Amino acid sequence: DAGVIQSPRHEVTEMGQEVTLRCKPISGHDYLFWYRQTMMRGLELLIYFNNNVPIDDSGMPEDRFSAKMPNASFSTLKIQPSEPRDSAVYFCASTKRSSYTFGSGTRLTVV
Amino acid sequence: AQSVSQHNHHVILSEAASLELGCNYSYGGTVNLFWYVQYPGQHLQLLLKYFSGDPLVKGIKGFEAEFIKSKFSFNLRKPSVQWSDTAEYFCAVNARSGGYNKLIFGAGTRLAVHP
Repeated sequence: DAGVIQSPRHEVTEMGQEVTLRCKPISGHDYLFWYRQTMMRGLELLIYFNNNVPIDDSGMPEDRFSAKMPNASFSTLKIQPSEPRDSAVYFCASTKRSSYTFGSGTRLTVV
Repeated sequence: AQSVSQHNHHVILSEAASLELGCNYSYGGTVNLFWYVQYPGQHLQLLLKYFSGDPLVKGIKGFEAEFIKSKFSFNLRKPSVQWSDTAEYFCAVNARSGGYNKLIFGAGTRLAVHP
């Protein structure tokens, strides 16, 4: 199994631009999580899905953030418009029966 | 609300020293507990986990952790650290809410091991 796959690995964008982060979970996992990691706030849970359905998006910081999971093998996290304070590493994780696997993350820099 | 507290934000040790990182959680239900490690520039990797059974859990790379239910603790230990253990360590709890599971992390502990 290739594990949880995230793309891109690095993204540099200008303030105001739309950014889309992608995640492919492990086949057969029924949960998918998006986390954001910063020096100031550590690892924050943004949103998670169960069987492609969003369960809790209370961690999404603002309306500029949105996430979708159109099918069991793909999820996106979109920021529109992006701001410098969105700069962070965004991790995706998937799990089945509490065995969580994390992707390599996307390092986002908004200038 | 569920939460995880890690007592030390930064720990500096010399090689061969013993390590203990504290972790306490706040959650009233059945817990699954985890320790993850993040090496510089890398993603989170599972060190060990506790679901049930023997409260002393052994993980990879010589790490172990002890679940003490009465203290709501899950401290990580290693008898003799190596320079290669320099990393950030995260304690996490799998909390069940509304019939669904989610993984909540502590703030992390940065460990620096000097040769």
